[in-house]
Parts: sequence; C-alpha cells; structure tokens
Amino acid sequence: NAGVMQNPRHLVRRRGQEARLRCSPMKGHSHVYWYRQLPEEGLKFMVYLQKENIIDESGMPKERFSAEFPKEGPSILRIQQVVRGDSAAYFCASSPVASGYNEQFFGPGTRLTVL
Amino acid sequence: RKEVEQDPGPFNVPEGATVAFNCTYSNSASQSFFWYRQDCRKEPKLLMSVYSSGNEDGRFTAQLNRASQYISLLIRDSKLSDSATYLCVVNIGNRGGATNKLIFGTGTLLAVQP
Repeated sequence: NAGVMQNPRHLVRRRGQEARLRCSPMKGHSHVYWYRQLPEEGLKFMVYLQKENIIDESGMPKERFSAEFPKEGPSILRIQQVVRGDSAAYFCASSPVASGYNEQFFGPGTRLTVL
Repeated sequence: RKEVEQDPGPFNVPEGATVAFNCTYSNSASQSFFWYRQDCRKEPKLLMSVYSSGNEDGRFTAQLNRASQYISLLIRDSKLSDSATYLCVVNIGNRGGATNKLIFGTGTLLAVQP
C-alpha cells in the first residue's frame, strides 16, 4: 500500500511565476490536509479538503493561494505570483476519516524555492 | 501566545540516558494529542498518541494532563537512532467534522551522543 505521494519533491520558481504542488493520498483516504513549514519553524495548517469540497481553509493566506481536491486525480495546492517568502516545505497528509483520533499520514513534502 | 509550546532544545544526551520533553497547549477544546518525530528534511511521522491515562510503547512513555493542559514524553535508554526533532501535536477537531486540523509545536531537538 503506497503511502502519500507528493510531486514534485523539489520545485524552483522565479518571483511572479506560478507553483503547482500535487498530492495523492493513501489508497482509501478521502481526507487531505496541507501544511507549510517555513525555514526554522514548525508546521502550520493551511487547508483541509474532502473530495470536491474545502472543509476548512482557515490557514490559507487570503491571496494567491488556492487548493482543490477533484473527484478524480490528486489534490492540488496552487500558488500564484510566488514571492520569496513562499519558500518553504509543503507537506500533504491524508486520513481515511475525519475523526481527530485518527493518525494523519504525511507525504515526503515538496520543497519550494523562490529565486 | 503560541497554541502549542515546547522547549526547542537542543537536548544533548549520552546513549542510554533518560530524557523528558514537555509541552503545553492553550486551546481547551483540543480533542486529541500526539507526539510526532521529524528527521532532518523529512516528513513528520507519528510516534505515539497520548491518552489521559498515560501510555507506553517500549522505551517511550507519554502522559497527558488535561487540567494543566500539559503533555510529556519520556524516552528511556536513548539510542543514537532516537536523534531527531520531537513534535508535540494537538488535534483541533470537532464531532461535526467542520475541521480536523493538527496544531504543531515548533519541536524539541534531541541529539544522542555515542
């Protein structure tokens, strides 16, 4: 059973470009979470999605960031017009149910570098 | 005030030592509690859940005090392979499923020396 998959693992963008980060949850998991880890900081929750629905986007920056989890295909975190401050590791996690007592399984992350 | 606070360390201990990490959380609505481990430039991995009654998994013991909003992790007989950052994590979820997010502390760095 493959774990959570993320690609690309490393992404380099110039300021003003768009970044698209993809996450395929574990088989049978329909709940996806995105977290961001800035250099030398802890992980911060960004958004929680279930198939075709955004459940909680309280951690998403108000501008330039969007997320989706379509009926078919991976979840996508999209960052428009990237700035240097967006450089971070972006981790996706998934769970089979929404219960807070269940483990969230993390993918290996995408390291975004903005030049 | 941070929602989850930990001593950042580093904790430098010799092999075989016992080491304890502490953590406090501020949101009394926190539903569940975990310790995750994160190796350098890797993803976090669940070490253990934390229950009010206390729980043990081999050399690792976790405790939760809901009244004090305090969580602890004890590692006995430290191994070189225990060197990592230990993350105190709480789940802010609710029964209605309106959210299910993890709140992470900044982590405590452990370095076990030979």
